[in-house]
Amino acid sequence: AQTVTQSQPEMSVQEAETVTLSCTYDTSESDYYLFWYKQPPSRQMILVIRQEAYKQQNATENRFSVNFQKAAKSFSLKISDSQLGDAAMYFCAYRSAFAGNFNKFYFGSGTKLNVKP
Amino acid sequence: IAGITQAPTSQILAAGRRMTLRCTQDMRHNAMYWYRQDLGLGLRLIHYSNTAGTTGKGEVPDGYSVSRANTDDFPLTLASAVPSQTSVYFCASSDEGGGAYNEQFFGPGTRLTVL
Repeated sequence: AQTVTQSQPEMSVQEAETVTLSCTYDTSESDYYLFWYKQPPSRQMILVIRQEAYKQQNATENRFSVNFQKAAKSFSLKISDSQLGDAAMYFCAYRSAFAGNFNKFYFGSGTKLNVKP
Repeated sequence: IAGITQAPTSQILAAGRRMTLRCTQDMRHNAMYWYRQDLGLGLRLIHYSNTAGTTGKGEVPDGYSVSRANTDDFPLTLASAVPSQTSVYFCASSDEGGGAYNEQFFGPGTRLTVL
């Protein structure tokens, strides 16, 4: 089974600064999808950004961008101009692109992001 | 549009009791999922369903069962609850049609405590 590792249980950033959350994964598959989800205190899981492994260009969504390094199996999330509303748990997730395995999402253990005013 | 609803929001349950967590989606997604979230472990897949009438086992299926009688509903049943099933349970759905592997949409979760 694939594994997803988030080595930073908790991080802090000053408001308006930039922070990078790390994620690594282990897989023997060549095609897959990667996601970052945000979970604020409300408990609702919210998709932040997604990346298809076959695309070399890093995905961006407004202040959120990723650094996808396929060879290194690394998928970090950069949050620019951090805002108080960014404070949440962030989960990295992996999903196979193959028809026999696509149902199975694998999540990391999460990184709690604190944003200081 | 409500998206995905889960009931109850929270529940305290005596060990040995039977419990069904309800999940309903109104997005007509063909695939649905149940996860449990435990501190330090992230989300782990319990069961999934590709389409109405079919189900499959995830990473941690023991002690849980599911059914998918129609597109919208995907209940999760604990036949005889044990304290290790204390967790937050999330239902999710995704649209797997057309070869596009989209993200999962999540419900608000059910906090279950088994004493």
